[in-house]
Amino acid sequence: NAGVMQNPRHLVRRRGQEARLRCSPMKGHSHVYWYRQLPEEGLKFMVYLQKENIIDESGMPKERFSAEFPKEGPSILRIQQVVRGDSAAYFCASSPDDAGTGNTIYFGEGSWLTVV
Amino acid sequence: RKEVEQDPGPFNVPEGATVAFNCTYSNSASQSFFWYRQDCRKEPKLLMSVYSSGNEDGRFTAQLNRASQYISLLIRDSKLSDSATYLCVVSSGAGSYQLTFGKGTKLSVIP
Repeated sequence: NAGVMQNPRHLVRRRGQEARLRCSPMKGHSHVYWYRQLPEEGLKFMVYLQKENIIDESGMPKERFSAEFPKEGPSILRIQQVVRGDSAAYFCASSPDDAGTGNTIYFGEGSWLTVV
Repeated sequence: RKEVEQDPGPFNVPEGATVAFNCTYSNSASQSFFWYRQDCRKEPKLLMSVYSSGNEDGRFTAQLNRASQYISLLIRDSKLSDSATYLCVVSSGAGSYQLTFGKGTKLSVIP
């Protein structure tokens, strides 16, 4: 049973480019979460999605960041016009039908974004 | 005051030692508490949940003091494989899904 799959694992973008990070939840999971970990910082909640719905985006920066979880396909975190401060590890997590707590969500291996 | 505070370490201990980590949280409405482990450039993985009654899993013991808003993790008989960063995690807010992570405490177990 495959875990949470994220790709790309590593991504390098120049300032001003766009970054797209993809996340496929565990089989049978319909809830997806994105977290960001800046260097030397703790993970910070960004957004919680169910299929075709954004449930909570209270942690998303107001500009340049967007997330979606379409009916078909993976969840996508999109960062437009990247800046150096966007360099971070972006972790996706998923949980089964009920919204997960810390012992029922599963993290992917992360996508490491470097902006040069 | 940060939401979840931990001593960043590093804690350098010899194999076989006992080591304790502490964590404080600021939101008194927090509902669930966890210790996660994160290896370098890897995802966080759940180590154990933390309950007021205290709980033990092998060499690991976790304790929660709600009155003091304090969480602890004790590792006995440290192994080289215990070397990692230990993250204190609190679930709070309107949605219990929203986890608040501490910055972590780095542990190095030395042969």
